[in-house]
Amino acid sequence: DVVMTQSPLSLPVTLGQPASISCRSSRSLVRSDGNTYLTWFQQRPGQPPRRLIYKVSNRDSGVPDRFSGSGSGTDFTLKISRVEADDVGVYYCMQGTHWPPYTFGQGTKLEIK
Amino acid sequence: EVQLVESGGGLVQPGGSLRLSCVVSGFTFSSPWMNWVRQGPDKGLEWVATINQDGSQKSYVDSVKGRFTISRDNAKNSLYLQMNSLRVEDTAVYYCARDNYYSFDYWGLGTLVTVSS
Repeated sequence: DVVMTQSPLSLPVTLGQPASISCRSSRSLVRSDGNTYLTWFQQRPGQPPRRLIYKVSNRDSGVPDRFSGSGSGTDFTLKISRVEADDVGVYYCMQGTHWPPYTFGQGTKLEIK
Repeated sequence: EVQLVESGGGLVQPGGSLRLSCVVSGFTFSSPWMNWVRQGPDKGLEWVATINQDGSQKSYVDSVKGRFTISRDNAKNSLYLQMNSLRVEDTAVYYCARDNYYSFDYWGLGTLVTVSS
C-alpha cells in the first residue's frame, strides 16, 4: 500500500500569514493514464471532510483561491496564501492513483496562534 | 443540491452486526462509484470500501474483508454497508462519499458506530 506522510502534523499560524503543508507518498502517484490523483481535504471541527483540491492542483467549486495545490511524483504541497479564522481544522492528503486501497496522510492540524 | 444522509449507526457488542444506509439526492445515483470512509475517535480518515455503478465490482480495506459487505440499490438511491463480526476497533464515524476523479467530492455527515461490551 502507498504510505502518505504529511508534515508538519501541527501548524500554528498567525491570521493573515501564509501556511504550507507537505505530503509525500511512498511511490510516484502518476497513474498509467498520465494523471496524478492526489487530493486535499479540509475537516473543520465537528464537520465531515470537504474536498479542496483534486488531481494535485484543481480547486473545487466554492473553494477560495487562497488555497492552492502543487507538486508532482511523490512530493506535494497545499498552500494557503493568507490564513483566515475559518481555515482552522485538520487537513488531509489522499492518493487515489494506486487504489485499492485509497490511503490518507495522518492529517495536519492548523490552528491560529 | 447534493445530499448524502447516513443512518443505522449505534451501540453494538463485539461480534454483533449493523447495517448502515446512505440515501442520496441531487445527482443521478446510478452514475458514480460510491464509497464508505471511517474515522475513529480522535483519529484520521480510513477508506473502507468502494462499489461500482451496478454493484459488480467491490473493494475493501484488508481489515474488513470477509466481515463487511458494500451494496447499493440504484432504484432507491441508496448505498449500504453490512457490518458483521464487529470489533472494538471498528468504532468510528462512518461516512458515505461519492467517487469523482479517484477522489471523494461529496460526503455525508456520518453515522457513529460504537462497538463495546
